[in-house]
Amino acid sequence: QAQLVQSGPEVKRPGASVKVSCKASGYTFTSYGFTWVRQAPGQGLEWMGWVSGNNENRHYAPRFQGRVTMTTDISTSSAYMELRSLRFDDTAVYYCARLVRGVWGTWFDPWGQGSLVTVSS
Amino acid sequence: EIVLTQSPGTLSLSPGERATLSCRASQSVSRAYLAWYQQKPGQAPRLLIHGASSRATGIPDRFSGSGSGKDFTLTISSLEPEDFAVYYCQHYGSSLWSFGQGTKVEIK
Repeated sequence: QAQLVQSGPEVKRPGASVKVSCKASGYTFTSYGFTWVRQAPGQGLEWMGWVSGNNENRHYAPRFQGRVTMTTDISTSSAYMELRSLRFDDTAVYYCARLVRGVWGTWFDPWGQGSLVTVSS
Repeated sequence: EIVLTQSPGTLSLSPGERATLSCRASQSVSRAYLAWYQQKPGQAPRLLIHGASSRATGIPDRFSGSGSGKDFTLTISSLEPEDFAVYYCQHYGSSLWSFGQGTKVEIK
């Protein structure tokens, strides 16, 4: 059964960078991509971007372009999301999810447990 | 960019009642790319429905999805205590994914 386990909480200063990891198990790593979604406190879900399992393709939501990098590492079956130039409003829970794509549709399943990133001075 | 608008914002119902949640797109979208997720407090979202009407693995049949064009619906036929949560619709198009703002289903 597919499972994603994310790294622990982080506290960062404004202007710093954070890198969140997402370790996959229970399926063939390169057969699926990864997507990242964040959720600010008390708010809804915001899609950030996706990266292919083989790390060859990626696409970011326009508002994060230039500030985010998403990668995968086949050797560790892990996906990573790095966000730079952190601001106070980047405080959120960051989720990874397996990206399912095909002619029959696209969806996110399963999801990691989430990683809280707090930006504080 | 397609905007998804969910209504109502909050739905107050009792266990056993039927819940009808709406998701309206700013323009016509493909059914294949419309999904629904459930999120309980302190938990990650969980996939309920993909392709507008296909239940994900392990999802009870009291959950059903329908719709086409701009209008989509998630129906919970008879609410169980564990169904009180926030529900999000999601769309994919033009290399972008987007979510509706969510509908909270709360106990009346």
